[in-house]
Amino acid sequence: EAGVAQSPRYKIIEKRQSVAFWCNPISGHATLYWYQQILGQGPKLLIQFQNNGVVDDSQLPKDRFSAERLKGVDSTLKIQPAKLEDSAVYLCASSRWTNEQFFGPGTRLTVL
Amino acid sequence: GESVGLHLPTLSVQEGDNSIINCAYSNSASDYFIWYKQESGKGPQFIIDIRSNMDKRQGQRVTVLLNKTVKHLSLQIAATQPGDSAVYFCADLRASYGKLTFGQGTILTVHP
Repeated sequence: EAGVAQSPRYKIIEKRQSVAFWCNPISGHATLYWYQQILGQGPKLLIQFQNNGVVDDSQLPKDRFSAERLKGVDSTLKIQPAKLEDSAVYLCASSRWTNEQFFGPGTRLTVL
Repeated sequence: GESVGLHLPTLSVQEGDNSIINCAYSNSASDYFIWYKQESGKGPQFIIDIRSNMDKRQGQRVTVLLNKTVKHLSLQIAATQPGDSAVYFCADLRASYGKLTFGQGTILTVHP
């Protein structure tokens, strides 16, 4: 079974630029999550989708972050404009059951 | 606010020794407590979980203990191997929401 795929793996941008990350979950997983992991910390949930609907986006900085999962499969996370403090690893995870989330390798974002 | 925290940021052991990683939590409403392993450049990987109404659960070389009286969680790894070197996170799960809250992590280093 293929795992969660993410791209790109690394991205370097300057502050105020825009960036987008892509995630393809495990086939059949209805729930998709985006997490932000700052160096030395545990992942923090940004947004959770159930199929193509948003379940929880309470910790998503909506003034600059947006995410969509239009067809209930792939998802994109966008930051516009980026700030220095957005430098982090952005992890996508998917699950069939809430007890076990499968994580992708993440996208490491560096904002200069 | 609700949080899951760790006592020690680093743990260094010799190959073959048993390792114990500790975690304190504050959210009594959690349904599950989960341990994740994160290797460099990878996303977190599920190790083992324990339902909040249990005290102990064993897996292959790993045991999780839950002490609800003092709100303490531990992960025991038997016969630790160099491949166990990673960052270990505890997390708590509110099953009805599918919301996973991670602690800060412990770096485990296993010396051959």
